[in-house]
Amino acid sequence: TQLLEQSPQFLSIQEGENLTVYCNSSSVFSSLQWYRQEPGEGPVLLVTVVTGGEVKKLKRLTFQFGDARKDSSLHITAAQPGDTGLYLCAGGSSNTGKLIFGQGTTLQVKP
Amino acid sequence: DTAVSQTPKYLVTQMGNDKSIKCEQNLGHDTMYWYKQDSKKFLKIMFSYNNKELIINETVPNRFSPKSPDKAHLNLHINSLELGDSAVYFCASSQDAAYGYTFGSGTRLTVV
Repeated sequence: TQLLEQSPQFLSIQEGENLTVYCNSSSVFSSLQWYRQEPGEGPVLLVTVVTGGEVKKLKRLTFQFGDARKDSSLHITAAQPGDTGLYLCAGGSSNTGKLIFGQGTTLQVKP
Repeated sequence: DTAVSQTPKYLVTQMGNDKSIKCEQNLGHDTMYWYKQDSKKFLKIMFSYNNKELIINETVPNRFSPKSPDKAHLNLHINSLELGDSAVYFCASSQDAAYGYTFGSGTRLTVV
């Protein structure tokens, strides 16, 4: 069974601080995706990484896929209150056709 | 123009009732999914359909029956609702799971 462990589960920080969220598995995935979910809404795709070692940047967010394609990290620089939300990592497989989600990280950024 | 729309947004019903949730996507994707998000926010796949054909059927009670009349629609019918069925149900679609899903905004089901 493929599992993704996400840490930390909860994070409360002050505006302007940096943070990193980790997503780890013992399984290899075709891709690793990061989503953000706001209350009352569905998850929204932020980024997909597909190549081991790949780094992608989205404004203040930096995503990295591990060399072995088993883990990923999300780093936010100078967090803003607008970054508050639930961050979900998900491992994708073209073979199985399904996404396996981590437990999520609830981020609160206080002004 | 909403890409993946599901109705209703909220559903409150009594134990033992039968209810349906509808989902439609206008993205032209071949694959649609139903996911269940529990009270701890964990998302778990229930079903997926590829062009009207059932592809994934996880360990879900057979009280849950998906139906796909065409590749743009995937509905979920639940018989004999139980308290433990209370959750948020998300519909999603994709062209390739490895590249990401587009989710609907969810249906919060509360069984009382």
